[in-house]
Formats: sequence, C-alpha cells, structure tokens
Amino acid sequence: KNEVEQSPQNLTAQEGEFITINCSYSVGISALHWLQQHPGGGIVSLFMLSSGKKKHGRLIATINIQEKHSSLHITASHPRDSAVYICAVGGSNYQLIWGAGTKLIIKP
Amino acid sequence: DAGVTQSPTHLIKTRGQQVTLRCSPKSGHDTVSWYQQALGQGPQFIFQYYEEEERQRGNFPDRFSGHQFPNYSSELNVNALLLGDSALYLCASSLPGESNEQYFGPGTRLTVT
Repeated sequence: KNEVEQSPQNLTAQEGEFITINCSYSVGISALHWLQQHPGGGIVSLFMLSSGKKKHGRLIATINIQEKHSSLHITASHPRDSAVYICAVGGSNYQLIWGAGTKLIIKP
Repeated sequence: DAGVTQSPTHLIKTRGQQVTLRCSPKSGHDTVSWYQQALGQGPQFIFQYYEEEERQRGNFPDRFSGHQFPNYSSELNVNALLLGDSALYLCASSLPGESNEQYFGPGTRLTVT
C-alpha cells in the first residue's frame, strides 16, 4: 500500500462542473501539498496545508489531520484546468512523498 | 522575483556522456532539492542541499552528484549516462527552516540516446 493514495486516477468532466480530487495518507506529516502539472510541463505548487482550508480563485483545498485526508476542489471547471494534480506530503525528514497523481480532463 | 529557474530547458545527450543541470532558487531560499520524473511517473527524490552540503539523499546511484554554491544555486551532475536517465529533472527551493514548503522550477528535460 502506497503511503499517499489519490483518487480518482483519471477524471473527465464537462466545463462548469464541480471537481473533487481526494488524497489519503498513512504517515505522520508536517504539511501537505497540492501541485499541478500540465502535459510535458514542470510542476506548479497550488497549496501547502497543515490544517483547515485554503482558497485561491476557483481552487479550494481542505485537510483533515485526524482522518489523514485532503481534498482539492475546482469550482466552475474550465478546459484550461486540464492537467495532472498531485498530492505530496512532507514528514519529519526532508523528502516529499508523492501520490501517483490524478489526470483531469475538462471538455468544453 | 524570478522564482526558481533551471537551465537548460531541454538537453540531448548520448549514453556514457556526462551532464550538468543548473538551478537558481527563489530569492531568500537556502535549500535546494532535486527530483527525477520519468515519463508517466511521479517525481523521485534525488537529494537535497543545504549550506553547501548534501543533507539527504534518495535511492540514486553515485553517478548522480550535486553541488551547492555560496549563493545557494545548485548543480546536478550525472555521469556515465544511461538511457534510463531520460527524464524531467525538477529543482525545488525552500524557505529557511521550512524544508517542506517547496517551490518548483520548470524542469530540465533530458533525453539520452
């Protein structure tokens, strides 16, 4: 079992739909990251969370430390949101432990 | 603030050659981490540099080495390149004392033929 599990692996939705991507982890963490990667591109950090909820534009990230679970929500999704979304957690060492990513496709 | 920058953007090398990739951290950051992302896979941690020393290393052979300069910029060197070294190499920098808040560069895509 991977230490960081994401679901779903793939998600296709219509433009305008509300999107939820989930991340569960089994290790103790100091922070959880949500990152975005476009095809062939580098990685962009969207959020870093250690508790509660953060919002940036149409993106919302929440974390429940007790349940070891985080969600990334996209409201009013748009084709330009199509990308791979990655959850990564940072523990007591200096490495990030990465989820496998969720490939999101938003159709116009 | 230019953020994290990496050079070159793309690179093609031949098996057995050596390559050097460069990373400049975000202004004010003193810690640099390097990751390898093979096609279709998640990033794998190579190593992290802090105060010009390697602080932690992932499961990569000694062919992978690095350096950090007094201005906190960093280099990743790979010797005796193999076809399997073809990947996107990502650099991330961190705030002092906040090793887990990492900011990523655009990456260098290395192709080994």
